[in-house]
Amino acid sequence: AQSVAQPEDQVNVAEGNPLTVKCTYSVSGNPYLFWYVQYPNRGLQFLLKYITGDNLVKGSYGFEAEFNKSQTSFHLKKPSALVSDSALYFCAVRDKGGATNKLIFGTGTLLAVQP
Amino acid sequence: SAVISQKPSRDICQRGTSLTIQCQVDSQVTMMFWYRQQPGQSLTLIATANQGSEATYESGFVIDKFPISRPNLTFSTLTVSNMSPEDSSIYLCSVAVGGQEGEQYFGPGTRLTVT
Repeated sequence: AQSVAQPEDQVNVAEGNPLTVKCTYSVSGNPYLFWYVQYPNRGLQFLLKYITGDNLVKGSYGFEAEFNKSQTSFHLKKPSALVSDSALYFCAVRDKGGATNKLIFGTGTLLAVQP
Repeated sequence: SAVISQKPSRDICQRGTSLTIQCQVDSQVTMMFWYRQQPGQSLTLIATANQGSEATYESGFVIDKFPISRPNLTFSTLTVSNMSPEDSSIYLCSVAVGGQEGEQYFGPGTRLTVT
């Protein structure tokens, strides 16, 4: 069965500092990996995805993520955090060889950026 | 991409009653999903809404409690039946675009409170 783990419930970072939100995955085959962001009282927004190719994926709002097959990780990063980045971040995985297109979500990480 | 709307955006319901949530997409899509997000929790897939056939439910979810309709490729409904306070959640409609490699887009959610 496929799954993702987000080991940190909350990440605190000062504005202007780099940020990392961690995600590890488990699938039987090759993964498709996604990051979503949820701002307060709003729906989920797609940030970026890894399908194949370059391990470093660039997405919306200056975010990027690095796919590491040996460590089965897909950590979300940003070089310089903004207060407006404060939100709930979800990692998700889809099994490339799966019979359906369903996404499995991690438990979420609350990012708090202090001014 | 896809633009998704949901009705109602929120509701407060009495225990024992039922609520039907509508999901409308601005384009024809094959795959539609219904998720539940309980307070402070991640997203849990309830079912895949299949056009022209019965929905496919995930473990722990049954048709009698969460009947789903999918009359065409742009519309679906989820009914939460015989509600109890444990059903208080945000219910999210989602569509998959671009096959297995595509991302999912989410509606704004329906915030349900059962008293």
